[in-house]
Amino acid sequence: NAGVTQTPKFRVLKTGQSMTLLCAQDMNHEYMYWYRQDPGMGLRLIHYSVGEGTTAKGEVPDGYNVSRLKKQNFLLGLESAAPSQTSVYFCASSQWAGPNMREQYFGPGTRLTVT
Amino acid sequence: AQKVTQAQTEISVVEKEDVTLDCVYETRDTTYYLFWYKQPPSGELVFLIRRNSFDEQNEISGRYSWNFQKSTSSFNFTITASQVVDSAVYFCALSAAGGYSTLTFGKGTMLLVSP
Repeated sequence: NAGVTQTPKFRVLKTGQSMTLLCAQDMNHEYMYWYRQDPGMGLRLIHYSVGEGTTAKGEVPDGYNVSRLKKQNFLLGLESAAPSQTSVYFCASSQWAGPNMREQYFGPGTRLTVT
Repeated sequence: AQKVTQAQTEISVVEKEDVTLDCVYETRDTTYYLFWYKQPPSGELVFLIRRNSFDEQNEISGRYSWNFQKSTSSFNFTITASQVVDSAVYFCALSAAGGYSTLTFGKGTMLLVSP
C-alpha cells in the first residue's frame, strides 16, 4: 500500500511554462484534494474532487486547473506558471465526507519553484 | 465562513518541559470536526487526532492530550515531557460535517524542543 503518492517531488519552472502535477492514491478513496503551503500561511485548498469526473474550486483556485479522469488519480495543472505559484503542493485523499468523515491522508508534497 | 487561529507562531522549550499549543476556531456549523496534524522537518503531514463537535471528552494518547472546549471554541494540544523528536510544525484544522469535508487549516505553530 503506497497510500498517496505525488509526482514529481521537485520542479523548477520558468515564468510562462506549463506543467502537470500528478497525485495517485491506492486506497479507493472517493475524495481528493490539492493544497498549497506557503511560509506562515498554513495549507490552503486549491481544488478538490468528490468523485471520478467531478471537480470543484477551493479557496485559491486561480491559475490552476484540475482533472479527475480516473478515481485513483487527481491532476493539478499550471497553464502559465507565475512566481507567485512557487510553493509546496500537497495532495490528499479521504474515504468519507460529511457526517462520517475521517482524516485526510496526505502525499509527500511537491516543491515547485517558478523563476 | 470558517476560520482557525493558531496565535502562537513559534514556541521553544527545553526537553522534558510540558507545552500547550493553542487552537481557536470559528464556524457557524453546529456539527463539525477538528483535527491536529504534525509536520516534522522531513515535510510530510502526519494525522494526530480527529474530534467530533458533539464529543467534548478530552483525549489522551501517551504524552499527547487534547482539550476540547466548545464554550470557548478551542481545541488545545498539550505535549507532556516534550522530546526533541516532537520538534515540528503543528496544524489545527476544521471541517464542517456537511458538504465535502474540505479542511480549513490554521497557519501552524512551530515547536522547537532543544536538548
